[in-house]
Amino acid sequence: DIQLTQSPSFLSASVGDRVTITCRAGQEISRFLVWYQQRPGKAPEVLAYGASTLQSGVPSRFSVGGFDTEFTLTISSLQPEDFATYYCQQSKNYPVTFGQGTRLEVK
Amino acid sequence: EVDLVESGGGLVRPGRSLRLSCTASGFSFSDHYMDWVRQAPGKGLEWVGRIRKRTNSYTTEYATSVKGRFTISRDDSRNSVYLQMNSLQIADTAVYSCARVSVRGDYYFIDSWGQGTLVTVSS
Repeated sequence: DIQLTQSPSFLSASVGDRVTITCRAGQEISRFLVWYQQRPGKAPEVLAYGASTLQSGVPSRFSVGGFDTEFTLTISSLQPEDFATYYCQQSKNYPVTFGQGTRLEVK
Repeated sequence: EVDLVESGGGLVRPGRSLRLSCTASGFSFSDHYMDWVRQAPGKGLEWVGRIRKRTNSYTTEYATSVKGRFTISRDDSRNSVYLQMNSLQIADTAVYSCARVSVRGDYYFIDSWGQGTLVTVSS
């Protein structure tokens, strides 16, 4: 199974801050990486796929990138609704696997 | 509007079986792969498995942790996908959600999720 490791696992930040979450894959996965956001008590929502393509409707303050083993999700200016848990997922090989999640909390 | 509604969860003893159902509406069900994903209380997301559509022979894939114990099936005439869980273990305790898979080029991703049904495995 392909292991995905997110860092950090917990992140405290304030509204207006710029934050970056990293997802590292245990083997090369090209651009087969998806990012999801899960707000408390809600179902996850897709933010980006193909490592670098934002899903329609996702605000432009989110940016994503990366290739093969290192991927990033950056939020340029945190908004109150961005405090949530973020997951990366690889779809290069089966079984599909998720990272352990990054919980973004209000400082 | 896409809607996915799971049912069939509950309390079950270790070693027993349970079958979950998910009924979809608001989209062309037969055109999509469907996933099951679970989330243990207070934990992260874990992919359980996938069933492809008719044109891909309804083939399935499973997580290592459930392979050989869980089986996914679908009935396109009922817009439903199922998760048969056998030999349940305490570690299988989680909220189980069905999810619609979409594709853009070569990239598959989940773009809709149900709210889930809780499965508790306990003696």
